[in-house]
Amino acid sequence: DQQVKQNSPSLSVQEGRISILNCDYTNSMFDYFLWYKKYPAEGPTFLISISSIKDKNEDGRFTVFLNKSAKHLSLHIVPSQPGDSAVYFCAASQGDYKLSFGAGTTVTVRA
Amino acid sequence: DGGITQSPKYLFRKEGQNVTLSCEQNLNHDAMYWYRQDPGQGLRLIYYSQIVNDFQKGDIAEGYSVSREKKESFPLTVTSAQKNPTAFYLCASSPRTGGDIQYFGAGTRLSVL
Repeated sequence: DQQVKQNSPSLSVQEGRISILNCDYTNSMFDYFLWYKKYPAEGPTFLISISSIKDKNEDGRFTVFLNKSAKHLSLHIVPSQPGDSAVYFCAASQGDYKLSFGAGTTVTVRA
Repeated sequence: DGGITQSPKYLFRKEGQNVTLSCEQNLNHDAMYWYRQDPGQGLRLIYYSQIVNDFQKGDIAEGYSVSREKKESFPLTVTSAQKNPTAFYLCASSPRTGGDIQYFGAGTRLSVL
C-alpha cells in the first residue's frame, strides 16, 4: 500500500520557466516531508524539507508548499535550469527514522 | 571527506549464490538503512538499524539479511531465497538527532547471471 504518491511520472519544461512537482500522501501521521533529486546510477541527494507545522519552505530556487488538509505537497523550481533534469522523489516520515518514498517524477528541462 | 561508500558499483549473482553488498559511512551517524529501487518505483525499505547490534526489518526484508557489528558498517546479504534480486540497491544513513534527513551512497546495481 503506497502511502506517498507522485502521480506524474514525467514533466518537461522549458529552461527559465517554472517546474511544479506534485506529491500526495495518505498517512495523516506523517509530520516531516522531504524532496530528493536523483541522477541516473547515483544515489538520491537531499534537496529541501518541510515540517508539518509550516506550509512553505524556501531555499534559493526551490520552494516546497504543504497543504495538510489536502494531504498534498508540491515542489516549485524557479527558474528551471538544464542541471535540474533528474528524477525527483517525494518522501515522508512520521518521526521514526523511516522514510516512505513516492515513485518519482522525471524532469526534463529543454533548452 | 565525509560520506557513504557502497561497493561494488556493479555485482552479478549466479543462481543459488549469496552475495554481500558493502556500505561504509564516516559521518558518525547512528542510523543506517538499505533500500531497493526497481524501474518506475520508489525506494522500498529492506532493513534499517538505529544503533550498533540492533536492526529491524523494513517492508521487503524477505530473502535479505544484515548485520551491524560496527557503527560505520551495515552490509547487506542477498540470499538465494531472494528470487528476484535484480535491482539498484541504496544504502543511507542519518544522525540519531537532527531530523529525518537521510544521506545516500551511490548505489550498487545487482544483476542475475
